[in-house]
Amino acid sequence: QSALTQPPSASGSPGQSVTISCTGTSSDVGGYNYVSWYQQHPGKAPKLMIYEVSKRPSGVPDRFSGSKSGNTASLTVSGLQAEDEADYYCSSYAGSNIFPGVFGGGTKLTVL
Amino acid sequence: EVQLVQSGAEVKKPGESLKISCKGSGYTFTSYWIGWVRQMPGKGLEWMGIIYPGDSDTRYSPSFQGQVTISADKSISTAYLQWSSLKASDTAMYYCARGGVSGSPPYYYGMDVWGQGTTVTVSS
Repeated sequence: QSALTQPPSASGSPGQSVTISCTGTSSDVGGYNYVSWYQQHPGKAPKLMIYEVSKRPSGVPDRFSGSKSGNTASLTVSGLQAEDEADYYCSSYAGSNIFPGVFGGGTKLTVL
Repeated sequence: EVQLVQSGAEVKKPGESLKISCKGSGYTFTSYWIGWVRQMPGKGLEWMGIIYPGDSDTRYSPSFQGQVTISADKSISTAYLQWSSLKASDTAMYYCARGGVSGSPPYYYGMDVWGQGTTVTVSS
């Protein structure tokens, strides 16, 4: 199955908000509320930030929020901080496929 | 503390075999799916496959079916990823991660605990 589409880069100044999109199809993002987001700092393992479109695991700041409209999911980071600079990946359940898991290509978030 | 600890970095030659490991602790290993994810140098994350250690139910991404073998030994809370004949294109970082909800494959609720990664370098 095709990877989900993310913009390669995004940026914002400290304190600002930035939104990263993740576009799929009605067979994945649009068809199910099983979208997750991961943060990955250089040289580190990914970290789960959002699951089921908008739920935050314990310990994830509420500056991170997720939403979905149609075939596009979004991750919004509010009150940007320097430590938010990282790569962000979305992932979705893609029900009808033999292996129903798919990642986005990733977005590099730069805090200016 | 819930954690997954992976085996150390490997340097291999093309054609050699390899088995890397991922040991779980701090939770009931048999109750959570384990996923394996590849990250090639400078690239994004790719699903390789998943395993449920409770009954060894294993599912592979089509891109990796027949290329690798995923297994688990529940007696020692360890999952494995193995290759029978490595290629230079297998050079990558490999992560194991736990499904976020007991009994549910990780493509539903995400992967909440990750290993530190195992670097595999294949070069002649």
